[in-house]
Amino acid sequence: DIQMTQSPSSVSASVGDRVTITCRASQGISHYLAWYQQKPGKVPKLLISVASTLRSGVPSRFSGSGGGTEFSLTISSLQPEDVATYYCQRYDSVPWTFGQGTKVEIK
Amino acid sequence: QVQLVESGGGVVQPGRSLGLSCAASGFTFSNYAMHWVRQAPGKGLEWVAILSYDGTKKYYADSVKGRFTISRDNSKNTLFLQMNSLTAEDTAMYYCAKNSGSDFWGNPFDIWGQGTMVTVSS
Repeated sequence: DIQMTQSPSSVSASVGDRVTITCRASQGISHYLAWYQQKPGKVPKLLISVASTLRSGVPSRFSGSGGGTEFSLTISSLQPEDVATYYCQRYDSVPWTFGQGTKVEIK
Repeated sequence: QVQLVESGGGVVQPGRSLGLSCAASGFTFSNYAMHWVRQAPGKGLEWVAILSYDGTKKYYADSVKGRFTISRDNSKNTLFLQMNSLTAEDTAMYYCAKNSGSDFWGNPFDIWGQGTMVTVSS
């Protein structure tokens, strides 16, 4: 099975900082990569699909890029409401594997 | 309002069975594949199973294959997960999630339920 590896596992940054999370697939998955945000005690929310397409209602400070095996999620200006764990997910084929998650905190 | 509501969770002894349900509303349930995803306490997300819109195609994670069965009743807009031979490793919040597109493949999960907690303990 294709493995999804995120880095870092956690990041602490100041309000207004730029934060970048990387997701690496063990084999190519084309652009079939999604990013989810899970705030503490809440349900996961789909932020980005097709590696870089922002879902409706998602703030423009979020962006995604990449393809093949290397992907990234960037928050251009970190806000307090962005405190959450972020997961990447492949959805090209079974199994629909998630990365292990990256916890984003405010310094 | 698009909504998924899970039910059926609880505390169950190792080796026993439990059935979960997911009631869908606000969209044409019969048009979409549906998933179950679980999250152990303090851990990440683990995909469990998918069922096609018509119930004819299904896939499972290796960790549950042979023990869990996913099914649906489109007349009742409900998704099910029958879990047998439960172990402590199955302890988790179980979410149902909607495939964002009508195609079985190539679609992420756009709607998630609130989850139902399953605890396997003696």
